[in-house]
Amino acid sequence: GAGVSQSPRYKVAKRGQDVALRCDPISGHVSLFWYQQALGQGPEFLTYFQNEAQLDKSGLPSDRFFAERPEGSVSTLKIQRTQQEDSAVYLCASSWRRTGKTPDLYNSPLHFGNGTRLTVT
Amino acid sequence: AQTVTQSQPEMSVQEAETVTLSCTYDTSESDYYLFWYKQPPSRQMILVIRQEAYKQQNATENRFSVNFQKAAKSFSLKISDSQLGDAAMYFCAYRSAEIKAAGNKLTFGGGTRVLVKP
Repeated sequence: GAGVSQSPRYKVAKRGQDVALRCDPISGHVSLFWYQQALGQGPEFLTYFQNEAQLDKSGLPSDRFFAERPEGSVSTLKIQRTQQEDSAVYLCASSWRRTGKTPDLYNSPLHFGNGTRLTVT
Repeated sequence: AQTVTQSQPEMSVQEAETVTLSCTYDTSESDYYLFWYKQPPSRQMILVIRQEAYKQQNATENRFSVNFQKAAKSFSLKISDSQLGDAAMYFCAYRSAEIKAAGNKLTFGGGTRVLVKP
C-alpha cells in the first residue's frame, strides 16, 4: 500500500478482554515503532522493531502489553486483560526502505498510520 | 531523558493571520533533530517541518517556519497566512541524532490545538 495501515480503526473491549492491534508498514520499511496516545496528550513511545528484532520495549507500561513482528513486516500489538487506563489511540510508524544506496536508518522520516482508538469499558 | 514541553494548550487565529506556537525541550545531547507534526481529526501524524540542531539557519516550508534557539532550547513554529485547513493539533517532537542500536524514537510534547476562525 501507499502508506502505513492500521486495523481496526476502532476497538471497544470490555475490561479483562484481550485485544490485538495490527500494523502494516510501508513495504520494505525496516524500522517500526508503536506509540500510545492518551486523550488530549502527545504520543508516548511503546516499542521499536528493526526488521523482526524488538530492540527496545522500554515503553511498554506493563507485562500485559506484548508486541511482535515475526517476519519483519506486519506487526501486532497485543494487550491482555485490558484495563480502563489502556483506553487510548495506538499509533504505528515505519521508516527506511532498503535501497541500493547507503542506508540512513536513523535519519529517515517516520510515516505514521491513522491509529487504532481503543476504548475499554 | 529528554523532555518536550508545549505550554499553550490552545491557540486561536484569524484566517490569513499569523500564529506562533511555543516549544521548549530539555536534553544533554548536542546533536539532535526537532520536528513539528500536525495531527488532524484523522489522527495521522503529518510532518510539517524539521530542524537539524547543527544548522543555525531556521527551517522554512512554505507558510511554516521555525525559530530555533539552541542555547535557550526553544523551538517555536510560525504559521503565516493561516488557512482553515491548518486547524489541527500540533506536536513538537525531539529525536536524537546519535546512532543508537535501540532506535531513535521520537519524544513528543503535549500538543497545542490550533483553531482557525474564518
